Amino acid sequence: GAVVSQHPSWVICKSGTSVKIECRSLDFQATTMFWYRQFPKQSLMLMATSNEGSKATYEQGVEKDKFLINHASLTLSTLTVTSAHPEDSSFYICSAMGRPEKLFFGSGTQLSVL
Amino acid sequence: KQEVTQIPAALSVPEGENLVLNCSFTDSAIYNLQWFRQDPGKGLTSLLLIQSSQREQTSGRLNASLDKSSGRSTLYIAASQPGDSATYLCAVHYNTDKLIFGTGTRLQVFP
Repeated sequence: GAVVSQHPSWVICKSGTSVKIECRSLDFQATTMFWYRQFPKQSLMLMATSNEGSKATYEQGVEKDKFLINHASLTLSTLTVTSAHPEDSSFYICSAMGRPEKLFFGSGTQLSVL
Repeated sequence: KQEVTQIPAALSVPEGENLVLNCSFTDSAIYNLQWFRQDPGKGLTSLLLIQSSQREQTSGRLNASLDKSSGRSTLYIAASQPGDSATYLCAVHYNTDKLIFGTGTRLQVFP
């Protein structure tokens, strides 16, 4: 089946630093990828929709200058958390749209900002 | 406003029981609906995908039904096992490519 690779699986960083998370579709091309965030004991929340070759579409309340998304190729999307702060600590998951319009998810990234 | 709700929020049952998890959505103009499983600290595993034109899908001990007109989907788990313990999420996909997740049902199956 289709595989989506996400890394790193966990990262610890100091407040004020930037962290990049990669999401790759390994055996299929994905024109659309999604980024989600999940706080403890809460459901997944969509952050943004990433379309290859164009700007990402952000959900209301998500700061586009803080969460930079780049979808430069059909198999790779990156999420950069800029100037991370402790409140950004969360579980981030990406997904890629395969066919027939089925979503395949990465394994997630646990971000802890000290 | 498009909302997806799941009940119950948590469920604890003995091994062997048949289970029904419920998902309801406010906007019935869906493209498809998916059921996922999430183990603690891990990503999601897609269980079943139901297109808007379908009424149910089956995979092993899992059966998902869809009633668009009433805005409901159910996930039926037959003969539950301890390995089924996880959080189950339903997600509704609309034509805007937006996937709205439900609140999840935390399932625990004890031996």
